[in-house]
Amino acid sequence: DVKVTQSSRYLVKRTGEKVFLECVQDMDHENMFWYRQDPGLGLRLIYFSYDVKMKEKGDIPEGYSVSREKKERFSLILESASTNQTSMYLCATRRNTEAFFGQGTRLTVV
Amino acid sequence: DQQVKQNSPSLSVQEGRISILNCDYTNSMFDYFLWYKKYPAEGPTFLISISSIKDKNEDGRFTVFLNKSAKHLSLHIVPSQPGDSAVYFCAASEGSGATNKLIFGTGTLLAVQP
Repeated sequence: DVKVTQSSRYLVKRTGEKVFLECVQDMDHENMFWYRQDPGLGLRLIYFSYDVKMKEKGDIPEGYSVSREKKERFSLILESASTNQTSMYLCATRRNTEAFFGQGTRLTVV
Repeated sequence: DQQVKQNSPSLSVQEGRISILNCDYTNSMFDYFLWYKKYPAEGPTFLISISSIKDKNEDGRFTVFLNKSAKHLSLHIVPSQPGDSAVYFCAASEGSGATNKLIFGTGTLLAVQP
């Protein structure tokens, strides 16, 4: 079974803080993705990576950056957290088209 | 511009009846479609998929139908069970490779009443 693990289930951060969301996968997949889920908007792709040190912008990259130093780890960085980044963040890896998700991180920015 | 749309934000059905969840898409290049199920405070889990060369795919109680001319797909759950209560997302992709972007719909909250 593919396992995708996100470091935190719940986070509360202050406006302006730098926030790191960590994701680790154990299946040696090359592709990793970060989505956010908001009511009425579904899952929207923030960033993705096809290989170590590679990154590509998704549909809503503004205010975010990513880091992929090792194949199994993909980090999402909020450079300066804002209240409109309060959301559920989901990391995923892919085998062909099927995506495997982590359990999600509920981030609240106050 | 929402390329994958689920126009019903919520659906309520009685246990034992059929649940039908609908999804429309606008991009005619999409040729692979998936359904995911999501419980609160958990990540989405894969449910069933269909490629554009088929019009139906069945897996136990779950059947997905694809109407390419109408750019419409639907998920049928028969019989519905209370444990099926969750948010269901449809997703679409151009091609089946892992490098192809998966575009998700907005989700439909299914409530199955005992």
